[in-house]
Amino acid sequence: NAGVMQNPRHLVRRRGQEARLRCSPMKGHSHVYWYRQLPEEGLKFMVYLQKENIIDESGMPKERFSAEFPKEGPSILRIQQVVRGDSAAYFCASSLPDRAHEQYFGPGTRLTVT
Amino acid sequence: DAKTTQPNSMESNEEEPVHLPCNHSTISGTDYIHWYRQLPSQGPEYVIHGLTSNVNNRMASLAIAEDRKSSTLILHRATLRDAAVYYCILTQGAQKLVFGQGTRLTINP
Repeated sequence: NAGVMQNPRHLVRRRGQEARLRCSPMKGHSHVYWYRQLPEEGLKFMVYLQKENIIDESGMPKERFSAEFPKEGPSILRIQQVVRGDSAAYFCASSLPDRAHEQYFGPGTRLTVT
Repeated sequence: DAKTTQPNSMESNEEEPVHLPCNHSTISGTDYIHWYRQLPSQGPEYVIHGLTSNVNNRMASLAIAEDRKSSTLILHRATLRDAAVYYCILTQGAQKLVFGQGTRLTINP
């Protein structure tokens, strides 16, 4: 059973460009979570999604950031008009509906904004 | 979310047991205690969780105090691969994980 997959693993964007980060949850997992880890800082929750629904987006910046988890396909975290402060590691996690205590994390996407 | 307190760092020797403490004096009756760890340059990894009773799995054991105001993660026989930052987290269910600073565990060969 493949683990959580994230791509790309490394992404370089210039200021003002868009970044799209993809997350394929583990097979059978319908809950997806996105976290961000800024350099030398701890992990911060961003958003929690179920298929086609955003359940909790309390950690998402109010502007430029959006997330989706469509009925088919991976979850997407989209950052428009990136700035240097968006440079971070972005981790996706997934869980089974009845096992939400056990979140399984992907390897992360390391975004660098130049 | 209820707050947890962990030592910033700990050190142990390979093949010895490790006891990682966590204080959570403001825990509520419905808070679960979770432990995750993050190895260098990797995503976090689920270790174990519990509510009231002690728990064991293939990775570790979780000892929960009777008043639930503290808990201890026990690695029975540390290996070099157990060197990581260990996070003690409280949640009430299918919610976001709120990561603190964790305990950086160093294992000496």
